[in-house]
Amino acid sequence: DTAVSQTPKYLVTQMGNDKSIKCEQNLGHDTMYWYKQDSKKFLKIMFSYNNKELIINETVPNRFSPKSPDKAHLNLHINSLELGDSAVYFCASSQDREWYEQYFGPGTRLTVT
Amino acid sequence: EDQVTQSPEALRLQEGESSSLNCSYTVSGLRGLFWYRQDPGKGPEFLFTLYSAGEEKEKERLKATLTKKESFLHITAPKPEDSATYLCAVQDGQAGGTSYGKLTFGQGTILTVHP
Repeated sequence: DTAVSQTPKYLVTQMGNDKSIKCEQNLGHDTMYWYKQDSKKFLKIMFSYNNKELIINETVPNRFSPKSPDKAHLNLHINSLELGDSAVYFCASSQDREWYEQYFGPGTRLTVT
Repeated sequence: EDQVTQSPEALRLQEGESSSLNCSYTVSGLRGLFWYRQDPGKGPEFLFTLYSAGEEKEKERLKATLTKKESFLHITAPKPEDSATYLCAVQDGQAGGTSYGKLTFGQGTILTVHP
């Protein structure tokens, strides 16, 4: 029944490693997003895909690469992890790029040591 | 650049003590203002969307209002289960290109309601 799900919920890794976070939505939405929430709780958008097409690409390091194999899935791959990448990453979806309400997943807490 | 500022940063209330949270915003052209609730360890949960000044929306003990510069989230007779972080976000209707549809969030107000 989960609308937007993410795996894993927690991710602890060392600097320099490569890791991926997966997101799936079963709402039938066309648009999906990745957000980063830092230690001060600010939520900032990173990427958005609409029907597998990248439509929002904020200023994030090239080490972050989103991939959308189909409109129900949006994954985030991070290369060469750095200490500053530690944060909670949220996936979200909306009906389409014109639709206002975004629905969020439970988040993935990434800790880089 | 769009900006959202929420105040206060933290608010402690006694059960039944009504109050308001403020969200001030700067945006080129407001497409929508959103309120979300976030519980610890969870993702934000959608509450309201407001589209134009003068609009009001209600849900249980919560009422959201909108002016041209700010939005208020009024909490009437709060209960301990209303304790959460409340987030405000705006969507810029004049943003184009790769910023289309982007939400800009405030830092949130941490609400604690004591029994």
